[in-house]
Amino acid sequence: QKEVEQNSGPLSVPEGAIASLNCTYSDRGSQSFFWYRQYSGKSPELIMSIYSNGDKEDGRFTAQLNKASQYVSLLIRDSQPSDSATYLCAVNRKDTGRRALTFGSGTRLQVQP
Amino acid sequence: ETGVTQTPRHLVMGMTNKKSLKCEQHLGHNAMYWYKQSAKKPLELMFVYNFKEQTENNSVPSRFSPECPNSSHLFLHLHTLQPEDSALYLCASSQGGRAEQYFGPGTRLTVT
Repeated sequence: QKEVEQNSGPLSVPEGAIASLNCTYSDRGSQSFFWYRQYSGKSPELIMSIYSNGDKEDGRFTAQLNKASQYVSLLIRDSQPSDSATYLCAVNRKDTGRRALTFGSGTRLQVQP
Repeated sequence: ETGVTQTPRHLVMGMTNKKSLKCEQHLGHNAMYWYKQSAKKPLELMFVYNFKEQTENNSVPSRFSPECPNSSHLFLHLHTLQPEDSALYLCASSQGGRAEQYFGPGTRLTVT
């Protein structure tokens, strides 16, 4: 079982729609959760972080965390063609002293004009 | 300069060459990381440095040799690489106590 799993996509949504990206993780002790956006040929850019159960909103982005189900999602409202990218889910477990993030393979999002 | 910078941005090297990748962070962070990103694979952690000390080596072959002279600079020395080492090499940094990592633009390495 992969530590962090994401559907590779592509997820195709029309412009203006809500894009829903999902991620599951295997380590129940995970404490920090991140979403990165990576445009083709570019490096990952941090767009959201979430640490406690529930929703966290930032502009058009909402991150949702459910630790009981080991599930984290990212909603993008009013999707724009410029949102077309690969979205990487990453998790961290700090209590081990380990600083590194574990990444999923990413979901490719295509927003159709 | 702001954020995390990496040089060179592109590198083509033969299997017998020796080259180095450089990373510099201007964020005042104290932890730095090397990741490898190959096509169709998740980001793979290679090395972690915290306050110049290596704290993680993710079973990386010895042909990759990291160096961290201070909290702002990180190098990856390369020698006798294989074609399968061709990938995007990403440097990241973070502040102590926080898990968020910020990435540099990466070095696209091609081994011929």
